[in-house]
Amino acid sequence: DADVTQTPRNRITKTGKRIMLECSQTKGHDRMYWYRQDPGLGLQLIYYSFDVKDINKGEISDGYSVSRQAQAKFSLSLESAIPNQTALYFCATSEVGDTGELFFGEGSRLTVL
Amino acid sequence: SQQGEEDPQALSIQEGENATMNCSYKTSINNLQWYRQNSGRGLVHLILIRSNEREKHSGRLRVTLDTSKKSSSLLITASRAADTASYFCATVPLTGFQKLVFGTGTRLLVSP
Repeated sequence: DADVTQTPRNRITKTGKRIMLECSQTKGHDRMYWYRQDPGLGLQLIYYSFDVKDINKGEISDGYSVSRQAQAKFSLSLESAIPNQTALYFCATSEVGDTGELFFGEGSRLTVL
Repeated sequence: SQQGEEDPQALSIQEGENATMNCSYKTSINNLQWYRQNSGRGLVHLILIRSNEREKHSGRLRVTLDTSKKSSSLLITASRAADTASYFCATVPLTGFQKLVFGTGTRLLVSP
């Protein structure tokens, strides 16, 4: 089983719908992240959480919200999806420490029509 | 905004050849990391080099870091078709929290 699991892996939805992407991890890491990747581009940080009671905005948080339900679970919500939120979304985890090395899930491909 | 910028954006070589990718960044760093992404899949960490290191090896991978030029290179020796992927550099800033800032990636195609 994957250490970082994302669901759903693919989702097609319509403009205005609420969407939740879920992430769970078995690595025991305290830090979790949500990134967005657009075709031909690098990754942009949406939100990150250093522990259950900690939530921080990243570079592109507008239009998104998150919930850290437990150390192992971190979900990303799009309250009212719009077409330019069509992208590949990645959850990642990291240990506390100075290296910042990330462990990624397989991604959730979201298409907003 | 993307701190790292990889060069070239795309690289096409034959199996057995070496592949070199470059990364430039803008601010002082704690470390620089290289990740690999197979098409549509999650990124996988390849190698990390700290700011006080100049060169590091891992199997067929060789990474160099020049902090004076704010640049790094990733060399893959004796490339295989299975090395076909996108490669991203990511930097961790010297101060502040350890948030990786990713470049835009180099797409490597290794033909049999």
